[in-house]
Amino acid sequence: GAVVSQHPSWVICKSGTSVKIECRSLDFQATTMFWYRQFPKQSLMLMATSNEGSKATYEQGVEKDKFLINHASLTLSTLTVTSAHPEDSSFYICSARDKRASGMPYRGTGELFFGEGSRLTVL
Amino acid sequence: DAKTTQPPSMDCAEGRAANLPCNHSTISGNEYVYWYRQIHSQGPQYIIHGLKNNETNEMASLIITEDRKSSTLILPHATLRDTAVYYCIASSGGSNYKLTFGKGTLLTVNP
Repeated sequence: GAVVSQHPSWVICKSGTSVKIECRSLDFQATTMFWYRQFPKQSLMLMATSNEGSKATYEQGVEKDKFLINHASLTLSTLTVTSAHPEDSSFYICSARDKRASGMPYRGTGELFFGEGSRLTVL
Repeated sequence: DAKTTQPPSMDCAEGRAANLPCNHSTISGNEYVYWYRQIHSQGPQYIIHGLKNNETNEMASLIITEDRKSSTLILPHATLRDTAVYYCIASSGGSNYKLTFGKGTLLTVNP
């Protein structure tokens, strides 16, 4: 099946520094990628939708200047947590939508694939 | 996306069938029912989806009631590795396809 890879899988940083997390679709092209955040014992919360070649769309309450998203190619989206603070410590997960699904009658299956997640700990 | 309701937790004996219910009474005609699961500290994994017909794949079966207001995910022979949080999601998909996750059901498979 399709593979989405995230890097790093875990990162520890000092408060005030910026951290970049990469999300790559390894065997398909993704016009759309989604970034989620998950706190301990909670569900996934959608942060933003990243479209290749355009600005990301952020969900209500998510600071776009703090969580910078870049989707410069059809296989890579990056999330940069700027000036990270301890409250930003979380599990960040990306998902990618296969480009071949765009514009087609909705099939549903296999169109959205998730990465393994990146655990950020801010000291 | 229509709201879904799932029990917070369930237990199942290894080797037995696990039946996970989901209520989606406000689902609209163009919304599919998706099931994903998340094993601890991993990204979600797609299991199955359906619109109105029952579906089966190598992982599970999905039974959708005729009025589409509820569904059941069936893992025919649960193993310890099936212990995970199972999410039922109703979504219409399309170009803005995005999934909104609820709290899901923590399925614990016991030896």
